Amino acid sequence: GENVEQHPSTLSVQEGDSAVIKCTYSDSASNYFPWYKQELGKRPQLIIDIRSNVGEKKDQRIAVTLNKTAKHFSLHITETQPEDSAVYFCAASEYGQNFVFGPGTRLSVLP
Amino acid sequence: DGGITQSPKYLFRKEGQNVTLSCEQNLNHDAMYWYRQDPGQGLRLIYYSQIVNDFQKGDIAEGYSVSREKKESFPLTVTSAQKNPTAFYLCATSKDRGYNEQFFGPGTRLTVL
Repeated sequence: GENVEQHPSTLSVQEGDSAVIKCTYSDSASNYFPWYKQELGKRPQLIIDIRSNVGEKKDQRIAVTLNKTAKHFSLHITETQPEDSAVYFCAASEYGQNFVFGPGTRLSVLP
Repeated sequence: DGGITQSPKYLFRKEGQNVTLSCEQNLNHDAMYWYRQDPGQGLRLIYYSQIVNDFQKGDIAEGYSVSREKKESFPLTVTSAQKNPTAFYLCATSKDRGYNEQFFGPGTRLTVL
């Protein structure tokens, strides 16, 4: 079955700096890769996603890149703000079924 | 995600008892999912259903059971066969099969005494 690894487990950055979180997956059949943000005490919410036919997707300060050959995808947050502090989860799925999530990255943006 | 309700918010159970967690949605979504969240382990899929009267096992289905008799409801039963049931349980929905955003409910925290 699919296995998703996520690094780093914790990340601290200064406000205004960039943050990068990387995930690797094992099943080449996976073709949908969402990223979720979970603030303390709240439910996860989708922040960006990418399908396997696209190499990069951007939404304001957030971007995701996908390397199908190497089986890894990364979340990039630029100009970080305190409200970006949260736990971020990547996931892999084949056609939106049987999602496998990474263990999460706790991002702290320091003022 | 305001259209997904889970009850109760907190649940306490004695060892050896079965317990059912409720998940109801009014989003008219076809697909529903149950996840278990433990510290440092992310979300692990227990069961998912993409259509009424049909469901599939996820990675950690042992000790759990589900039903999908109505589109709006996807209850999860934690049986006594689940060896370590204390966890935070999240229900999610998505519009249909395919590349769709999952919307999560507020969760139920289950503690086995």
